Amino acid sequence: DTEVTQTPKHLVMGMTNKKSLKCEQHMGHRAMYWYKQKAKKPPELMFVYSYEKLSINESVPSRFSPECPNSSLLNLHLHALQPEDSALYLCASSQAGAPDTQYFGPGTRLTVL
Amino acid sequence: DAKTTQPTSMDCAEGRAANLPCNHSTISGNEYVYWYRQIHSQGPQYIIHGLKNNETNEMASLIITEDRKSSTLILPHATLRDTAVYYCIVSAYTGANSKLTFGKGITLSVRP
Repeated sequence: DTEVTQTPKHLVMGMTNKKSLKCEQHMGHRAMYWYKQKAKKPPELMFVYSYEKLSINESVPSRFSPECPNSSLLNLHLHALQPEDSALYLCASSQAGAPDTQYFGPGTRLTVL
Repeated sequence: DAKTTQPTSMDCAEGRAANLPCNHSTISGNEYVYWYRQIHSQGPQYIIHGLKNNETNEMASLIITEDRKSSTLILPHATLRDTAVYYCIVSAYTGANSKLTFGKGITLSVRP
């Protein structure tokens, strides 16, 4: 089983709202990733957690706040977003061992009004 | 910046083999070649990876040149459902995780 699940599938929020995206995997993977994909562009890495610790932050604005409560779960907390943050947010996981193949979830389509 | 270059687009007839090329002339010895595809508005789907040897699985074959500077993904019998953007990515495991840097990919259109 190589399934990564993401909820919700779609999210519409105002600029003053606080919301969270959720990602879950039950493959025993120890690395989890958040990517952002704007329309007609390739995915771009935002954050990486390894063994539940934040290991990479690609200079993402603080209005995006990741959290890894346990090895199976990854959240992305959103606050005071801008309309330009509207995008497909993708979660991925990998075993944290070479070769480190990443498996992606279906994504959350976020619209900021 | 992505470390790979791919043509922008290609098409092939349904039932025929699709050969998707990728150049990665600056690949390091510990970097794997990964192929993913993304069908419109879905998450990227892992297809195959390789280090030095050619690889085959139920989806595709990966041919890596001896100098590792280029590779070709082969879909042996393309179907309409194979229409997607295909990404060739080189990446190494860092000891804690891997980092995928997506380029623009190649858009494969399979025609009936």
